[in-house]
Amino acid sequence: GQQLNQSPQSMFIQEGEDVSMNCTSSSIFNTWLWYKQDPGEGPVLLIALYKAGELTSNGRLTAQFGITRKDSFLNISASIPSDVGIYFCAGQGGLMDSNYQLIWGAGTKLIIKP
Amino acid sequence: DSGVTQTPKHLITATGQRVTLRCSPRSGDLSVYWYQQSLDQGLQFLIHYYNGEERAKGNILERFSAQQFPDLHSELNLSSLELGDSALYFCASSPRRESTEAFFGQGTRLTVV
Repeated sequence: GQQLNQSPQSMFIQEGEDVSMNCTSSSIFNTWLWYKQDPGEGPVLLIALYKAGELTSNGRLTAQFGITRKDSFLNISASIPSDVGIYFCAGQGGLMDSNYQLIWGAGTKLIIKP
Repeated sequence: DSGVTQTPKHLITATGQRVTLRCSPRSGDLSVYWYQQSLDQGLQFLIHYYNGEERAKGNILERFSAQQFPDLHSELNLSSLELGDSALYFCASSPRRESTEAFFGQGTRLTVV
């Protein structure tokens, strides 16, 4: 079945640094989503991407839908303490019954060094 | 606040017991999804309901069942609980059958002792 590889698994960074994470798929997706989960909370949607090559920003966050439709990237610029959390990518293959469920990455845990 | 309400927030129960988790979707959303998240793990899709009908099943154990009622709230029933069932259980809702841009509740933390 479809699988998503999300990397890195965790990141230790200094406040103010830029952050990059990515997801790659074994198959093509039509939609990429990026979520953030704070401790003890449910995931919150950050950015949704619907077209290959699309680059979308949400404040200091920028995500891109890869041209091959098999990958996506999330960048966070000038990280701040509230960026701490787990970032998940999720992909959707299409709208047919067989492939419309979201496939989830394992998450990237972002930790900011004091 | 996502608008998705899950109760209870925490639940501690013994092995072999049965529990029911409840989810109220956002107003107007017809789709409800249930996910399980074990400690430091990703999200495992369990089951999806759309307008009262089961639409898709993921890695849901036979000891688990769910339903969506006419008022669109949903319940996840977990029976014959085992220690390994301890996890966060999330409900998400979206207005459409597809799960794009689903909105998550705060989850129910289940601890089986």
